Amino acid sequence: AQKVTQAQTEISVVEKEDVTLDCVYETRDTTYYLFWYKQPPSGELVFLIRRNSFDEQNEISGRYSWNFQKSTSSFNFTITASQVVDSAVYFCALSEARSNTGKLIFGQGTTLQVKP
Amino acid sequence: SAVISQKPSRDICQRGTSLTIQCQVDSQVTMMFWYRQQPGQSLTLIATANQGSEATYESGFVIDKFPISRPNLTFSTLTVSNMSPEDSSIYLCSVRTSGGTDTQYFGPGTRLTVL
Repeated sequence: AQKVTQAQTEISVVEKEDVTLDCVYETRDTTYYLFWYKQPPSGELVFLIRRNSFDEQNEISGRYSWNFQKSTSSFNFTITASQVVDSAVYFCALSEARSNTGKLIFGQGTTLQVKP
Repeated sequence: SAVISQKPSRDICQRGTSLTIQCQVDSQVTMMFWYRQQPGQSLTLIATANQGSEATYESGFVIDKFPISRPNLTFSTLTVSNMSPEDSSIYLCSVRTSGGTDTQYFGPGTRLTVL
């Protein structure tokens, strides 16, 4: 069965600290996609990154970086030098390619609070 | 990516009434979806809106409660029928663009409060 687990419900850091958000997934499919979305207090869901199961290269985008490890079924997200504007709920999600339904399975989300 | 708009952005409704939420995309898309996010919870897929045919509903969601229309490749509606306070949620429309990138983009959401 497909499942995404974000064990950290809430994280609080002080501005400029680095923070890592954990994501562990379960799937029986060999081809799948992993995503991170950001949901600020306004409620919209902002796409951050998509990674397919064949690409284990880590990715960096500005202060954001992602570490994908198939061996541990993890897709962790690190924010370097956090800022108050990073405060939001972050969701990790999984989509299986075989079914081609496009269905996203979301984790429970991690609420990140960055204090000034 | 695609630009997605939803109407209304928020509403407060009385128990027993119905509300129709509209989702408009600025380009033709292959797949459109409707998600529900209950307060403090994650997102759950309600259904896939199919163009020209009935929507495909997920377990726990039925057409009588959440009728969906998709008359063309850029527009869909979700109706929340016979509402109760338990329907208070954010309802989000999402789209998967053509080209098989498997990336879903989300609309701004509709915040519904049922009294």
